[in-house]
Amino acid sequence: TQLLEQSPQFLSIQEGENLTVYCNSSSVFSSLQWYRQEPGEGPVLLVTVVTGGEVKKLKRLTFQFGDARKDSSLHITAAQPGDTGLYLCAGGDNDMRFGAGTRLTVKP
Amino acid sequence: NAGVTQTPKFQVLKTGQSMTLQCAQDMNHEYMSWYRQDPGMGLRLIHYSVGAGITDQGEVPNGYNVSRSTTEDFPLRLLSAAPSQTSVYFCASSYSELNTEAFFGQGTRLTVV
Repeated sequence: TQLLEQSPQFLSIQEGENLTVYCNSSSVFSSLQWYRQEPGEGPVLLVTVVTGGEVKKLKRLTFQFGDARKDSSLHITAAQPGDTGLYLCAGGDNDMRFGAGTRLTVKP
Repeated sequence: NAGVTQTPKFQVLKTGQSMTLQCAQDMNHEYMSWYRQDPGMGLRLIHYSVGAGITDQGEVPNGYNVSRSTTEDFPLRLLSAAPSQTSVYFCASSYSELNTEAFFGQGTRLTVV
């Protein structure tokens, strides 16, 4: 079983601050995905990272895949209240597994 | 284009009752899966299917059955509901098991009393 550990579990910051959340595993993944989930909704895909060392940017969000393809990070610049949500990383092929998530709250 | 549709949105069951959670997708996706989400535990894979007629177990399959008679539908059956099955259930689909961008339904909140 490929386990994904996310940290921190909870994060509460003020609008305008920067933050980084992490997704770590002892297993190698062919790709990792990041999802964002809002209350009462299913997760929505933000990005897929495939190549070791890859960096992808989505507006104020920067995603990095570790060189060894065992870990990934999500950095948010100048966080806004609209970034509030549960951020989940996921990996695997047939049996895609999710981490427990980081619950982010951005206060105005 | 509805995407992934789950019914019902809410359900209360008594211990020992059985029921079926419905999931349908209209994107012609081969891969479908069921997850349960509990506080602090993220999403845990119950069962998945890589195509019509093919199903396999995930992390937490006990107490659940699935079948995949068509590409569009992937129902999840609770055989004899237990309070431990109180959870939010999500169905997801993706184009194939190798293209794993998953599209999720809105979830079914199940309470077993």
